[in-house]
Amino acid sequence: DVKVTQSSRYLVKRTGEKVFLECVQDMDHENMFWYRQDPGLGLRLIYFSYDVKMKEKGDIPEGYSVSREKKERFSLILESASTNQTSMYLCASSPRQAGSYEQYFGPGTRLTVT
Amino acid sequence: AQTVTQSQPEMSVQEAETVTLSCTYDTSESDYYLFWYKQPPSRQMILVIRQEAYKQQNATENRFSVNFQKAAKSFSLKISDSQLGDAAMYFCAYRVGTSYDKVIFGPGTSLSVIP
Repeated sequence: DVKVTQSSRYLVKRTGEKVFLECVQDMDHENMFWYRQDPGLGLRLIYFSYDVKMKEKGDIPEGYSVSREKKERFSLILESASTNQTSMYLCASSPRQAGSYEQYFGPGTRLTVT
Repeated sequence: AQTVTQSQPEMSVQEAETVTLSCTYDTSESDYYLFWYKQPPSRQMILVIRQEAYKQQNATENRFSVNFQKAAKSFSLKISDSQLGDAAMYFCAYRVGTSYDKVIFGPGTSLSVIP
């Protein structure tokens, strides 16, 4: 079974704090993704990575950065957390190949910024 | 721009009955893939069913089936014999066939199952 794990299920941070969300997958997938999930908006892609040290901006990268130093680990960084970054954050991974492959998701981190 | 629309924010179904969730998408591509994902309350999102656009036959996975209308750009999910465990958020998603990466998700439909 593919496993994607995220470092925290719930996180509460103060405005202005630097926040690290970590994601680890154990299936040797090349692609990893960070999404933000908000009611009525579905999942919106923040950043993705298709290889170690590679990253691509998604649809809403502002206020976020990422790091991928190892193939299995993809970190999302909020440099200075703001209240509008309160949300559910989902990590996902997938193999880098054409075809109808699926994305495998982690359990999510519910972040509250006060 | 490619978009995915789910016009039903919430739906409910009686246990053992059948329900259909709607999804439409907008694309100019001819080669793409469509997915339905399920997110149970406080649990991980998982794939329910997938459809390759080049296949005319509708995909089926046990009690789950799709009605894929390529010309109408419609991809609905039918759940037969609904069970309490089907209660979840359902997301329709789209990926271009030539893209290894980006998936576009709809806003989701919250399905309740009434005992």
